[in-house]
Amino acid sequence: AQSVTQLDSQVPVFEEAPVELRCNYSSSVSVYLFWYVQYPNQGLQLLLKYLSGSTLVESINGFEAEFNKSQTSFHLRKPSVHISDTAEYFCAVLGYNQGGKLIFGQGTELSVKP
Amino acid sequence: ETGVTQSPTHLIKTRGQQVTLRCSSQSGHNTVSWYQQALGQGPQFIFQYYREEENGRGNFPPRFSGLQFPNYSSELNVNALELDDSALYLCASSLFGGGQETQYFGPGTRLLVL
Repeated sequence: AQSVTQLDSQVPVFEEAPVELRCNYSSSVSVYLFWYVQYPNQGLQLLLKYLSGSTLVESINGFEAEFNKSQTSFHLRKPSVHISDTAEYFCAVLGYNQGGKLIFGQGTELSVKP
Repeated sequence: ETGVTQSPTHLIKTRGQQVTLRCSSQSGHNTVSWYQQALGQGPQFIFQYYREEENGRGNFPPRFSGLQFPNYSSELNVNALELDDSALYLCASSLFGGGQETQYFGPGTRLLVL
């Protein structure tokens, strides 16, 4: 079985400051890892993913995440946030051959203040 | 490329009633997954459909059922609605196999059970 823990439920930060949203997972099988973003009253948008290869993955809007197998972590970082980054962020894990069952964390609410 | 669409966007039902939610998958995708997202929570996997058959199921009772059609669209049916069924229901599509395990989400259907 897999599980995901997002260590911070809320992260307030000032505009142009760096941010890290933490995600740890547990799994007995190999996994794919994802970060999704949810704006108010909307569905989930894929932000970035780790499937294989380079452990550092990047999004088109400046976010990056690093897969650390030894620490079972997939933390999300951005060196300088914007007001428009204010949203709920979900980390998710998909185990190999687990019937398509994405397991989500509880979410981290990122609030960017001017 | 057409994204994932869901209908209706909002729905109000009373306890004991039945509801059907619909999802059209992204073009080129053959797999549909359904998730329930309660307020303030991460999404919970209900089930996945591939080749018109259930490919995996989460911890939901049998009154949650689904269908997938030859054009890969899907329905989620919930019988005997309970107050706790009030949630955002998310549909996600993906391409099964070949390492393309990424799920892309629709905007969701918000169900309120009174």
